[in-house]
Amino acid sequence: EIVLTQSPGTLSLSPGERLTLSCRASQSVISSYLAWYQQKPGQAPRLLIYGVSSRATGIPDRFSGSGSGTDFTLTISRLEPEDFAVYYCQQYGSSPITFGQGTRLEIK
Amino acid sequence: EVQLVESGGGLVQPGGSLRLSCAASGFTFSSHWMSWVRQPPGKGPEWVASIKQDGSEKYYVDSVKGRFTVSRDNAKNSLGLQMNSLRAEDTAVYYCARGSAAIKRPPDPWGQGTLVTVSS
Repeated sequence: EIVLTQSPGTLSLSPGERLTLSCRASQSVISSYLAWYQQKPGQAPRLLIYGVSSRATGIPDRFSGSGSGTDFTLTISRLEPEDFAVYYCQQYGSSPITFGQGTRLEIK
Repeated sequence: EVQLVESGGGLVQPGGSLRLSCAASGFTFSSHWMSWVRQPPGKGPEWVASIKQDGSEKYYVDSVKGRFTVSRDNAKNSLGLQMNSLRAEDTAVYYCARGSAAIKRPPDPWGQGTLVTVSS
């Protein structure tokens, strides 16, 4: 099983700032099958990024993903008020599909 | 618009059974893998099970093998999850999610979820 470790656990930033989140895998992620989800309270997770760097339908271009092998990054270029949420990385190349423990983004 | 609507959650005693259903619409159900993902209160998501388009392949997380069974009815655009021998640690919101079609994609979108509480 591939274990995904996200850092930091919690982050406090202000609207307009740049966000960089890290996701490290315990072994190489097959074929770059790495995704990022956003979850707001009381809602299901929403897909933001798949295949490391492809934005899902309707996701603004301020969201971007990068990385390879075992180290991946989600970047939000300029935070909007609606971006404050919990973010999860996920690998879907190996069974079982696994998720990181999440990073909570709070308003500073 | 893709819609996934789960039902069947509720309170059940340890050792009991529950069957979840997911009604799908807005896409060609029979062309996609389908998955169940759960999220315990205050924790991150955990993949539970996936089923191939024709039901010929099924995969489970180790913690539910032998207790949960995923199924689908392509004629009714419906996904099911039979849960037996339930434990307290199965308490979670259960989501159904659309999986890959021809190209491998992560589960997307997810339904709104149904809460399963296992407690005496």
